[in-house]
Order: sequence, then C-alpha cells, then structure tokens
Amino acid sequence: GAVVSQHPSRVICKSGTSVKIECRSLDFQATTMFWYRQFPKKSLMLMATSNEGSKATYEQGVEKDKFLINHASLTLSTLTVTSAHPEDSSFYICSARPQGRYGYTFGSGTRLTVV
Amino acid sequence: GDSVTQMEGPVTLSEEAFLTINCTYTATGYPSLFWYVQYPGEGLQLLLKATKADDKGSNKGFEATYRKETTSFHLEKGSVQVSDSAVYFCAHGSSNTGKLIFGQGTTLQVKP
Repeated sequence: GAVVSQHPSRVICKSGTSVKIECRSLDFQATTMFWYRQFPKKSLMLMATSNEGSKATYEQGVEKDKFLINHASLTLSTLTVTSAHPEDSSFYICSARPQGRYGYTFGSGTRLTVV
Repeated sequence: GDSVTQMEGPVTLSEEAFLTINCTYTATGYPSLFWYVQYPGEGLQLLLKATKADDKGSNKGFEATYRKETTSFHLEKGSVQVSDSAVYFCAHGSSNTGKLIFGQGTTLQVKP
C-alpha cells in the first residue's frame, strides 16, 4: 500500500514550452504533497508544499510563476514548468505521507530535459 | 536552521565489508529520522526509519539508531553486497509540517 505514481518518467521539451508533471496517490488520500528537485549528484531540495484545495506554499527562492502547482483533488497534484529553459533540466520528485504513518512515499521521479 | 549532514562519498568497499555512513542533524523539536536509498536509474525508496530517541530502525540488514544526545542517525550494515551499491540519503521530517530535510547523499560502491 501507500503508492505514489508520477508521470511522465522522462520528458524532453523545447525551450519556451511548458511541461506538466502529475503526481497521484493510488491507494490513499493526500491532502498534502511535496515537490522536490534533485540536481545531478546532489541532494533533494524541497520546492513547494502542495495543499489540496488551496494555494501551494513555495520555498524561498522558488519562482511561483515558473513552477505552477495545482492540487485539485485528494489524489492528484500537478507541477507545471512554464516557459522551460535548459537550466530547468533536472529530476523532479513528488512525495506524500499517508495519514497515520511516519514514512513518506515518493514517486519514481520525472527527468526533465529542456533542449 | 534545520539541516542534515552526511559523510562525503563515494564510499568504496569490498563485498562483505562493514559499512558505516555517518549522519548528524540539527532540528527544532523531535523530528523523525529516515534513511532513503536510490539505486542507479531509480527513484527514492525508504530504507528505514526511527520516530523517537533510542529507536532502532532496521531493514535488509541495515540498521540505524536515533541518538538524541549526539543528534546522530548513523547507518550501518555488517556485510555489504554488490547489490547494495546505491546513493544513500539521510533525512529528518517534521511531524507538524511534513517537510523532509535531506542530507547531500552518500554514494556507496561495493566491489566483488
């Protein structure tokens, strides 16, 4: 149980276009989901906290207008990278914590390459 | 602020060697502590966790004990295998906010 599905796993897009990444909790409801970014050979940096039915909370230094987060239901959060640039190329990971558990479940990640 | 510090890698060991990856943290309150593993080309997987002082998390032969007095959560395994080669992340999580703070990751390479 407690599976988080992330889609797509890999995406290549052209500079200036937008890309949407989906994060779904398959067997539990998640009022809160988290979006992380992982740079090559570096740790994960929390980008934002996605809250169902309300605005996301962004970490300092993360551009809200570039990384749009929508959490429209209890099982789905989306991250849209708008007007993507090569420096946005990275590995994006979402996570959620099933209610009553201490462990955080992570999606398998999305590798975004902007060319 | 809250942080997690891991020993720098890569750590290279021979098969059946003893493994220790150090992890220390700073946090307000009493966070839960985690070790995550990332195998090549894959996402993160929870390896083990501890939720309060003196708790010992264990899984797949790995162990880590929540040491409040030294603010540490070192990962150990008595006999590593080639299949243990991966990147290991120490993290602490706030039960209030749900946020996880990660260490920088330690790459483990196990040679036959």
